[in-house]
Amino acid sequence: DAEITQSPRHKITETGRQVTLACHQTWNHNNMFWYRQDLGHGLRLIHYSYGVQDTNKGEVSDGYSVSRSNTEDLPLTLESAASSQTSVYFCASSEGGRTNEQFFGPGTRLTVL
Amino acid sequence: AQTVTQSQPEMSVQEAETVTLSCTYDTSENNYYLFWYKQPPSRQMILVIRQEAYKQQNATENRFSVNFQKAAKSFSLKISDSQLGDTAMYFCAFTLSNAGGTSYGKLTFGQGTILTVHP
Repeated sequence: DAEITQSPRHKITETGRQVTLACHQTWNHNNMFWYRQDLGHGLRLIHYSYGVQDTNKGEVSDGYSVSRSNTEDLPLTLESAASSQTSVYFCASSEGGRTNEQFFGPGTRLTVL
Repeated sequence: AQTVTQSQPEMSVQEAETVTLSCTYDTSENNYYLFWYKQPPSRQMILVIRQEAYKQQNATENRFSVNFQKAAKSFSLKISDSQLGDTAMYFCAFTLSNAGGTSYGKLTFGQGTILTVHP
């Protein structure tokens, strides 16, 4: 069965370190998204991609970067982790078009100390 | 920019009863989709129901139905015959589309409503 996976599921890091969160989908979807979930804010869009070599900034992109070298993967990098980036991170993918349901990964809980 | 507001941080309901979760949104666009997502304690995001803005008929999925009021920019979720498994955080979400119904994919979420179903 097709799926979308995230790793690691839990991560503790220190302020200033570089961190990369992995996202891998086997749906063969063109569209991939990264969101962060914080209490009182719901989920907010960080970055998104509509295909290989395409990346776009979302609502809360400062301090984050992504790259899309193949269809299956969209890794999210925190260049220099800050305590404000402590959050739960969700990756999602969708086929696009009128079939616009987004399929979400299980989430990664990141703690920055 | 689009915004989605859920004004009820928490709701509770007795098993087998009906509950309605509220959502309002703001957009100047005419073509869009609205969604309700469920997030149980497992943290998995699950699509509950979807509404296309050009459709006047309210969407229904088994015990879940919506009341879509486009002019009022309101999109409430009604859960009938509530079950213990309905206990979860519920998110209202919005995405723009073009006139042909193709979605741009990016979701804007509300703050969420925690629903607790009591036995």
